[in-house]
Amino acid sequence: AQTVTQSQPEMSVQEAETVTLSCTYDTSESDYYLFWYKQPPSRQMILVIRQEAYKQQNATENRFSVNFQKAAKSFSLKISDSQLGDAAMYFCAYTLITQGGSEKLVFGKGTKLTVNP
Amino acid sequence: ETGVTQTPRHLVMGMTNKKSLKCEQHLGHNAMYWYKQSAKKPLELMFVYNFKEQTENNSVPSRFSPECPNSSHLFLHLHTLQPEDSALYLCASSQETLSSLSGANVLTFGAGSRLTVL
Repeated sequence: AQTVTQSQPEMSVQEAETVTLSCTYDTSESDYYLFWYKQPPSRQMILVIRQEAYKQQNATENRFSVNFQKAAKSFSLKISDSQLGDAAMYFCAYTLITQGGSEKLVFGKGTKLTVNP
Repeated sequence: ETGVTQTPRHLVMGMTNKKSLKCEQHLGHNAMYWYKQSAKKPLELMFVYNFKEQTENNSVPSRFSPECPNSSHLFLHLHTLQPEDSALYLCASSQETLSSLSGANVLTFGAGSRLTVL
């Protein structure tokens, strides 16, 4: 089964501290893309960071970075210098190609991040 | 301006009603998607349209009927829904959906329509 597991339903972090959100996935594909999306209370899902599975180098976007362990099928998100605006639901996802030929995102259940002032 | 606009933001309907959700994107994308987001469950892909043609129907019940008149607009027509259909319905768009992974095919989401079925 193609699944994404986010084992932490909720996390909290102090402002300016660092937090790591975990994600593991199960796919039989060798080539795929991994994503972290953020959904603030406004409900709009926003792309945080993207990783290409064939690249060993971990992706970074400003304060956001990933620890991608392909063999372990692990894709954790590290948020450095946490800010109040980082409070949101965070969803891990990967792409696969469906039988219909469409790219499909498979999502985890999400981790709710609270940032404490 | 998110680029993907969904209306209405909130909708309450009875099981015998007929209503529609609307999605419009201003990004020049060619692919559009409907996702269902229920509490404590992963997002579920419902439908995919590529260049106005439906390319994916993820075993969605027929009480949900999508319509894509052009690449910029996507509708989800609702009729005789059940209370368990209450959820947040998210629309998304991307440049296009391809038969091979592009990585550039990043989804842009709307803010969703919160549906409550009584």
